[in-house]
Amino acid sequence: GAGVSQSPSNKVTEKGKDVELRCDPISGHTALYWYRQSLGQGLEFLIYFQGNSAPDKSGLPSDRFSAERTGGSVSTLTIQRTQQEDSAVYLCASSSILGGSYEQYFGPGTRLTVT
Amino acid sequence: QKEVEQNSGPLSVPEGAIASLNCTYSDRGSQSFFWYRQYSGKSPELIMFIYSNGDKEDGRFTAQLNKASQYVSLLIRDSQPSDSATYLCAVVNAGGTSYGKLTFGQGTILTVHP
Repeated sequence: GAGVSQSPSNKVTEKGKDVELRCDPISGHTALYWYRQSLGQGLEFLIYFQGNSAPDKSGLPSDRFSAERTGGSVSTLTIQRTQQEDSAVYLCASSSILGGSYEQYFGPGTRLTVT
Repeated sequence: QKEVEQNSGPLSVPEGAIASLNCTYSDRGSQSFFWYRQYSGKSPELIMFIYSNGDKEDGRFTAQLNKASQYVSLLIRDSQPSDSATYLCAVVNAGGTSYGKLTFGQGTILTVHP
């Protein structure tokens, strides 16, 4: 079946511009995550959506970052007034916790470059 | 103390040897544990999961879990150069407001040299 998809695969933007990154999770998965990974670094958790519960936003680095999930499916991560330090690969993942299954599957990522 | 800690790398082993990757976690109530492999420039991919104390084998991979010691490990037998990657340990939150959320360790870089 179809996996997690993300778009765009690459995004180059100028400092100060806003960007939107999109994630389409695996159909039926109730949980969705956003991570950031800078070159040579580990996964940095950003935000976690689970069903209709309030999202866990504890990883968002600043108020320039926001995310929403519409209809319990597609998610958009928005970065306002981008800075050079926002350059990284942004990864989305989804999982289903039904039946005690928590395996998380990752999308291919969006490489963001802020010039 | 970090929620999930992995042994510092990088780890270098010769081809054919056993690679041992270790992970400790702080949430005593955690029930589900995962190992992911990430090749350079790629997304993490799930390679093993384990829920019960003891060993779980899948091909050349064995996951070991000791809940009393809050310790999970991954053994790779007959290591191959193609196993060279970063290995990430992940643990599911047992409860609270982020029930079901996976927390990742920082990863251990493994290099298998011919």
